[in-house]
Amino acid sequence: TQLLEQSPQFLSIQEGENLTVYCNSSSVFSSLQWYRQEPGEGPVLLVTVVTGGEVKKLKRLTFQFGDARKDSSLHITAAQPGDTGLYLCAGARYGGATNKLIFGTGTLLAVQP
Amino acid sequence: NAGVTQTPKFQVLKTGQSMTLQCAQDMNHEYMSWYRQDPGMGLRLIHYSVGAGITDQGEVPNGYNVSRSTTEDFPLRLLSAAPSQTSVYFCASSRLAGIGTSSYEQYFGPGTRLTVT
Repeated sequence: TQLLEQSPQFLSIQEGENLTVYCNSSSVFSSLQWYRQEPGEGPVLLVTVVTGGEVKKLKRLTFQFGDARKDSSLHITAAQPGDTGLYLCAGARYGGATNKLIFGTGTLLAVQP
Repeated sequence: NAGVTQTPKFQVLKTGQSMTLQCAQDMNHEYMSWYRQDPGMGLRLIHYSVGAGITDQGEVPNGYNVSRSTTEDFPLRLLSAAPSQTSVYFCASSRLAGIGTSSYEQYFGPGTRLTVT
């Protein structure tokens, strides 16, 4: 059972465009993380959000945790080719070992120059 | 710091062979995990460890064994390789996201690409 659904699965855009990636679940999470993975490498942590409604910014990337702690979004402003990669969300569930994350299936982003 | 290192980077096995995937970290993290990544399936947890001498099963543990004799090392053993174990394997170590939180952040190795024929 996939508890975290990401949309869209694939996204191809031109440099300079804005985009939003969504991570949705029917389950409540104590925290949610976003990772970026480049071809042939392991995922790299971008951010952790822990409070419902929390917004964090990392340069041109804006992350939001839903008020109900069931969903999250990643917005990229003025995308650049260096943003290309697989974006993964991962949630830590209440009541379980917080080291055990549930990963979404990912959004593959390609930014064309 | 080298972070999390994994060897080998690529491996081809025949059905029924056994092998060990090596993982080491130099960040003194207590928590370590093994994941497999398959197309359309995301990352799935195989086994994890909360410290030396302590291991537990994740979501897909069948066909794999682990041990944790030191904080630094967390090898994954394939007992009798099957084509269904063809995948990319990632090792990760974890630390707390910050003071006052119980969330852990994962630091991944570069992966081992395994093909079982």
